[in-house]
Amino acid sequence: NAGVMQNPRHLVRRRGQEARLRCSPMKGHSHVYWYRQLPEEGLKFMVYLQKENIIDESGMPKERFSAEFPKEGPSILRIQQVVRGDSAAYFCASTAGEGDTQYFGPGTRLTVL
Amino acid sequence: QKEVEQNSGPLSVPEGAIASLNCTYSDRGSQSFFWYRQYSGKSPELIMFIYSNGDKEDGRFTAQLNKASQYVSLLIRDSQPSDSATYLCAVKKSGGGADGLTFGKGTHLIIQP
Repeated sequence: NAGVMQNPRHLVRRRGQEARLRCSPMKGHSHVYWYRQLPEEGLKFMVYLQKENIIDESGMPKERFSAEFPKEGPSILRIQQVVRGDSAAYFCASTAGEGDTQYFGPGTRLTVL
Repeated sequence: QKEVEQNSGPLSVPEGAIASLNCTYSDRGSQSFFWYRQYSGKSPELIMFIYSNGDKEDGRFTAQLNKASQYVSLLIRDSQPSDSATYLCAVKKSGGGADGLTFGKGTHLIIQP
């Protein structure tokens, strides 16, 4: 399967714990976008990364959220000290280059108890 | 004014008829327009993209763009029950560049057998 991969598919955390979401882009793609979809809401852009660089983090909450895309390995979206309002589906999308069409992974459903 | 607006529906269309989905956007600088389909609990799946004014056809789907009116639409001919899903309109603010996609909240389409 050469598509965008995300894991875990489902993640349950208690308030105050940390959540780590991973995204492996499609083969040949080096650009990753993270989106969040809250219940009954549309998809909201969070952050755009290239290998070892954060290009645009204008959609990221100012606190507790961080993202990275190291030279080797998947992109990681990290949420520290999770709260119930963080419960959502988190999707990543990848492209081969800027402006290219974005293809989405299956998402990680985060539930905060 | 919301950046990307869609009627949330549900839009109910009999099987075999044409389903018409509409979207308006507020940023005149937007250059790229996308339609994604999202089944409940699944990730967005790209249906079509359009960059130029006019119509673009792909199988049973036709995307229409009118930049002067800031309006994008998606027509689905010969609607099938499997077309029942939420359709997301997405806009990219520049032809290239670092911006992520801005999504509408989606239109829930129901194809009645």
